Parts: sequence; C-alpha cells; structure tokens
Amino acid sequence: EAQVTQNPRYLITVTGKKLTVTCSQNMNHEYMSWYRQDPGLGLRQIYYSMNVEVTDKGDVPEGYKVSRKEKRNFPLILESPSPNQTSLYFCASSYSSGGPTGELFFGEGSRLTVL
Amino acid sequence: KQEVTQIPAALSVPEGENLVLNCSFTDSAIYNLQWFRQDPGKGLTSLLLIQSSQREQTSGRLNASLDKSSGRSTLYIAASLPGDSATYLCAVRTGGFKTIFGAGTRLFVKA
Repeated sequence: EAQVTQNPRYLITVTGKKLTVTCSQNMNHEYMSWYRQDPGLGLRQIYYSMNVEVTDKGDVPEGYKVSRKEKRNFPLILESPSPNQTSLYFCASSYSSGGPTGELFFGEGSRLTVL
Repeated sequence: KQEVTQIPAALSVPEGENLVLNCSFTDSAIYNLQWFRQDPGKGLTSLLLIQSSQREQTSGRLNASLDKSSGRSTLYIAASLPGDSATYLCAVRTGGFKTIFGAGTRLFVKA
C-alpha cells in the first residue's frame, strides 16, 4: 500500500530535549516536505527536499533541521525544542521529476507537546 | 508573496444540498492546485488535483474548477451527505517547490 509513515504519532517532551520525528514514503517520490498545523494559523511549510541531499527552507524553518540522505526518508529534527513548537506536524511527498506538479500525499500526523 | 484565502470559513447545510467552496490566490504563477479533506485530528486526504493547464477535475460527487487568470478555484459538492462533514483545504504549488495552504472551510452537513 502506498503511504507516508510518520513516527511517533504522539509525543510529550520537555524543553531542550532533542527529538527526531521520522518520515518514510514507499512511493519512490523525489519531493518530501514538512508542515506544522496550528489553530488559527493553518498549515505552514517548515522545510522541503527536492531529492537526496537537496533541501530548502519553507516559511517557518527556525528551530528545525532536516536531512535527506536516502530517497525514502526525511526526518525532522528539533535540536532544542521549546513550548512554541507544540503543534501537529505533517510530512508529505510527491513526484517532482517534471517540476512541482505531482499530487501531494500526506502522513497521518505527529502531535508534539513540549512542556 | 503568494496568499491563499478560503471563503467561507465555516458552512452548515442540510443533507442533500449542493454546495460550493471557494479558494482564491494572489499570484497566478502556480504549478497546480490541490483540494484536501481533513477530519478532526487526522491527516489530509487528497480529493482533486488540478494542473495549471487544466480547467477542471471531477471525482464522483466532487468537481473542482480552476481559473488561473482570476486567481480562483471552486470545489463543488453535489448532493451533500453527513459523511462529507470535515474541513476542506486548498493548496497551491508555486515555483521553488513551495506549497501554500488556505485556512480551510469547515463544513457541517446536517442529517
């Protein structure tokens, strides 16, 4: 089954404790991206990757890191989480060989709470 | 800077009614526009994808149109059902591989 898988789905952590949210897709998509969703602010793009070893900032990259060492994986790293990073996070992927025209597929989301 | 607006923010209709959700964007230089459905606390489910060269797409009771020159898209839902109750989001793909989302329309279909 074609899917985007995120882990963990739920996480409660404390300020400053480094954490990683993993994202994996099995559709051989070149493009992967991370978003956060907050009440009243909607979905905002954090980082995206056009292919292996190619990443770029979205609209809200501060406090986050990403890496793309393999085509199927795109982890989101919070080096020193703060309470303002409490949010619902989504990973998405699509084909992009012909440009950004591919259909976006989303994971189920990861709800993060930073105390 | 690209901005995406969805109107109305919320909508309540009786079952069986046909309805239209609106999405507008400020920069017509888009690659595609995609409509999603999101149930509370859940992920996004893709409904329809319209490429910039297309005018509309249809899937079952759903029809989405795109007018790039006026910066508008509409999602038409025919014969609405209580199971259609959800938040509907539109998103535009822009140059540089960015994706900009609207704030969504929360739909409630009364049985």
